[in-house]
Amino acid sequence: QRQLQESGPGLLRPSETLSLTCNVSGTSISGSSGYYWGWLRQPPGKEPEWIGSIHYSGATYYKSSLKSRVTISADMSKNRFSLNLTSVTAADTAVYYCARHGSFGLGSYGLFDFWGQGALVTVSS
Amino acid sequence: VLTQSPGTLSLSPGERATLSCRASQTIRRDYLAWYRQKPGQAPRLLIYGASNRATGIPDRFSGSGSGTDFTLAISRLEAEDFAVYYCQQYGDSPPGTFGPGTKVEIK
Repeated sequence: QRQLQESGPGLLRPSETLSLTCNVSGTSISGSSGYYWGWLRQPPGKEPEWIGSIHYSGATYYKSSLKSRVTISADMSKNRFSLNLTSVTAADTAVYYCARHGSFGLGSYGLFDFWGQGALVTVSS
Repeated sequence: VLTQSPGTLSLSPGERATLSCRASQTIRRDYLAWYRQKPGQAPRLLIYGASNRATGIPDRFSGSGSGTDFTLAISRLEAEDFAVYYCQQYGDSPPGTFGPGTKVEIK
């Protein structure tokens, strides 16, 4: 059974770096050539927002407005991928999700079919 | 840009729900998905390709529409269906935007 599980600090001060890890079980990141592994966030009361994705090839894609602050990386040996978001502000307070989405080849690029349970990150002084 | 209506739908268990999603531009290949999000949980994929149910989704959920106008219907509301529903356009880069959501609440 496929599972994604986020982990990381839940409270940050402004200007700190948000670091989250998504542990994947039941499927292999490196063996899933047709899929991407992504991060989304959802501020309270709002819709989810895509942050960025990584492919098993190592290729990364980021939302343009966040690109200067975001890094997504993967550790294939541990079957997990991570999100770093620098210089956080209160506007970055949200529930952060890791999720899988399909590829152009599958006709499902950006279709999120498996999600983690989410990790609440609060930015406050 | 995706617009969803109504913002809130107040219904009783067993009733039929009809949710609307309208796109500002034609969605190619009907790459439109619907998700249900229960309180405190992650969104769950219900419908993709405008009308295809995802794995494990019961047949009380049905999707329809094409072009710019799409509909999600829930034939008989069960307790777990009182939640927020999002539509999402996919298939383009960057990964698609979600609509603002429709909340289905108990009347």
